[in-house]
Amino acid sequence: EIVLTQSPGTLSLSPGERATLSCRASQTIKNSYLAWYQQKPGQAPSLLIYGASSRATGIPDRFSGSGSGTDFTLTITRLEPEDFALYYCQQYGGSPFTFGPGTKVDIK
Amino acid sequence: QMQLQESGPGLVKPSETLSLTCTVSSGSIKTSSYYWGWIRQPPGKGLEWIGTLHYSGNTYYNPSLQSRVTISADTSKNQVSLKLNSVSAPDTAVYYCARHRGSSWPWFFDLWGRGTLVTVSS
Repeated sequence: EIVLTQSPGTLSLSPGERATLSCRASQTIKNSYLAWYQQKPGQAPSLLIYGASSRATGIPDRFSGSGSGTDFTLTITRLEPEDFALYYCQQYGGSPFTFGPGTKVDIK
Repeated sequence: QMQLQESGPGLVKPSETLSLTCTVSSGSIKTSSYYWGWIRQPPGKGLEWIGTLHYSGNTYYNPSLQSRVTISADTSKNQVSLKLNSVSAPDTAVYYCARHRGSSWPWFFDLWGRGTLVTVSS
């Protein structure tokens, strides 16, 4: 099983600032099959990034993903008020599909 | 636009079977382009993948739950079902149905239902 670790656990930032979220895997993720999701309170997660760096339909370009192998990053270049939320990474390179524990981005 | 809707009892007694249905609208589950998965989230905690099915019959289960889980499809009703037996308090969670993009392998979850809270309690 691939274990995903996300850091930091919480990121306290102000609107307009840059957010950098990390996701590290316990072993290489095949084909960079790594996705990022955003979850707001009381809502289901929604897809942001797939294939480590491809934005899902309708996702603004302030969201970007990078990385390969075992180290991946989600960057939000300028935080908008609606971006303060929980972010999860997930690998789909092998079964069982696993999620990271999440990073909460909250308002400083 | 395709939508997913989970339904089922919100309260299940310990040792009994949790049964949920995901109804897919505005699209068919009988497509080679998608797989159909279940994910759960205990209150205040992270996401756990339960299992995934392709309408052709291929299924994948989380080994941690495999002995208690069955996921099946009813193509005539355009539904995907989840059964989890011998439940206990740690199975209390919001259960989500989600669509995997992918044809030969389940990829990322690109569409989610709203989720349904199931509480295990006597």
